[in-house]
Amino acid sequence: QQQVKQSPQSLIVQKGGISIINCAYENTAFDYFPWYQQFPGKGPALLIAIRPDVSEKKEGRFTISFNKSAKQFSLHIMDSQPGDSATYFCAASMGWTSGSRLTFGEGTQLTVNP
Amino acid sequence: EAGVTQSPTHLIKTRGQQATLRCSPISGHTSVYWYQQALGLGLQFLLWYDEGEERNRGNFPPRFSGRQFPNYSSELNVNALELEDSALYLCASSFWQGVGYTFGSGTRLTVV
Repeated sequence: QQQVKQSPQSLIVQKGGISIINCAYENTAFDYFPWYQQFPGKGPALLIAIRPDVSEKKEGRFTISFNKSAKQFSLHIMDSQPGDSATYFCAASMGWTSGSRLTFGEGTQLTVNP
Repeated sequence: EAGVTQSPTHLIKTRGQQATLRCSPISGHTSVYWYQQALGLGLQFLLWYDEGEERNRGNFPPRFSGRQFPNYSSELNVNALELEDSALYLCASSFWQGVGYTFGSGTRLTVV
């Protein structure tokens, strides 16, 4: 019930295209859903995050769509650029006061071809 | 502002030995988290320390342990190393309740 399932495992898109990564969760106690971007040799960096009281959040070219009833959320990268090539992780947590930690998806390796 | 710093960057140990990994949090952060990133397995939560106390622990055996010092830096110890302990170990830090959650670049542990 703690798992977060992420797909696809890898994704190749052309420059200017839309990259879409999906995640699904089981635990309805999760209340915070961040996306992280990780470049080789670096730690994950927070990209964008959402709470379940909103259905969509947009920051620049990055958008999170959240479907509470389906227990799914997704990351859309508009106008994908070669510099976006990285590994993306979705994650979830259920409140810091409960001793929460981030539960991560398995990761998606995104390659944006020029 | 300095980020989360981890040392060493790389560590090679022999099976059965002990490994010690270190983490210095961002100034002002009181919580430190440890994660294991093994190839193909994503990030798995190991430990959470806050104000010197262990607050939460992931599904790892007791040979994974750690501590947090009065200056909020932290140490992860892995005893009786096994080959499958080879992974990138990531440390993150935050203010209370996860505010400002930031990862370091990790320590690559290789067990031979």
